[in-house]
Amino acid sequence: AQSVTQLDSQVPVFEEAPVELRCNYSSSVSVYLFWYVQYPNQGLQLLLKYLSGSTLVESINGFEAEFNKSQTSFHLRKPSVHISDTAEYFCAVSANNTNAGKSTFGDGTTLTVKP
Amino acid sequence: NAGVTQTPKFQVLKTGQSMTLQCAQDMNHNSMYWYRQDPGMGLRLIYYSASEGTTDKGEVPNGYNVSRLNKREFSLRLESAAPSQTSVYFCATLRADSGRDEQFFGPGTRLTVL
Repeated sequence: AQSVTQLDSQVPVFEEAPVELRCNYSSSVSVYLFWYVQYPNQGLQLLLKYLSGSTLVESINGFEAEFNKSQTSFHLRKPSVHISDTAEYFCAVSANNTNAGKSTFGDGTTLTVKP
Repeated sequence: NAGVTQTPKFQVLKTGQSMTLQCAQDMNHNSMYWYRQDPGMGLRLIYYSASEGTTDKGEVPNGYNVSRLNKREFSLRLESAAPSQTSVYFCATLRADSGRDEQFFGPGTRLTVL
């Protein structure tokens, strides 16, 4: 079984500041890791994922996350946020011997970007 | 392509009433999922269907039933709604593409049980 802990429930930042959303996981087997974004009144959208290979993964809108196996972490970072990044962010993990649809989700982090 | 669609968008029920949430996809994906999302929590898996004709329980199946009507459609039924089932329900599919797995989510159904 897996579990996910998102260490911050709310993260307020000013526009153009850097941000880090923290995610730790536990699992007895190798894992796939995901970050999803949810805008108000919408479904989740995949932001980025780690399946294998390079431990640093990037999204098309400037976010990146690094898989750290020794610290069992998958923190999400962006060097300069925009107002439009305001949303709920979810970290998720699934065992790599099953499919990504059976992921375990964290409780979410609300990112609020202020002008 | 519409992707994943869900109906209705909103629903209010009284305790004990029944209803079916509908989900359809046009991406030809084999696997489909139903999740619920409660305030301050992540998604929890209710039921899933790995392929047409099969269904399996997820983390929180009690009080729900599902039907995988065909490859496109996966419905979730509440036989006797309870206030504890007030939640936002999301349907999702999985593109399983050896190393490029990705889930696609519908817009959600907001259900209130009074």
